[in-house]
Amino acid sequence: SQTIHQWPATLVQPVGSPLSLECTVEGTSNPNLYWYRQAAGRGLQLLFYSVGIGQISSEVPQNLSASRPQDRQFILSSKKLLLSDSGFYLCAWSLGSGRNQPQHFGDGTRLSIL
Amino acid sequence: AQTVTQSQPEMSVQEAETVTLSCTYDTSENNYYLFWYKQPPSRQMILVIRQEAYKQQNATENRFSVNFQKAAKSFSLKISDSQLGDTAMYFCAFTPQGGSEKLVFGKGTKLTVNP
Repeated sequence: SQTIHQWPATLVQPVGSPLSLECTVEGTSNPNLYWYRQAAGRGLQLLFYSVGIGQISSEVPQNLSASRPQDRQFILSSKKLLLSDSGFYLCAWSLGSGRNQPQHFGDGTRLSIL
Repeated sequence: AQTVTQSQPEMSVQEAETVTLSCTYDTSENNYYLFWYKQPPSRQMILVIRQEAYKQQNATENRFSVNFQKAAKSFSLKISDSQLGDTAMYFCAFTPQGGSEKLVFGKGTKLTVNP
């Protein structure tokens, strides 16, 4: 069966520090991968998605970037965090074929910027 | 623009009763897929039920069912025999057929099941 791992679960970082959140999927090949941010009291906002190694699409202009160095690894990064980067970050995967395939989410990372 | 609207920020229901969460969406696509996700206090997002727009029959998954009205662009979720474990945020989402497999989410409805 497929599983998705996301870490760390919580992170407290000072303004201006770098960021690296990692997400890995097991049990499937060539998944679509996604990074979402969920601000307090709001729905999910899609930040990045990837349909293959090295292929990254950005949905909103921002201070963050994403990379996919391996088929089942998706990394969310920042060189300098802003206060507005605080939030709950969710990684998700779906099968690469068929738009009826649901997305499956990791447990999320709660990021607090001080 | 493709949007999803959940007009009920919060709802509550007594245990064992039935509750309906509303969702409307706006799209110019003819075929698409609709989903309800549940996010309990643990924050994990869990798929509850899904519906394909070209299917007229409403999807059902145990105590969860949907009322899909394509012409009205409405996709409500009915929870029967509510249980305490149903307490969660519920998100409606859809993915259009065109373009990538992106999900467009509503802002969610916070459901509380009272004992």
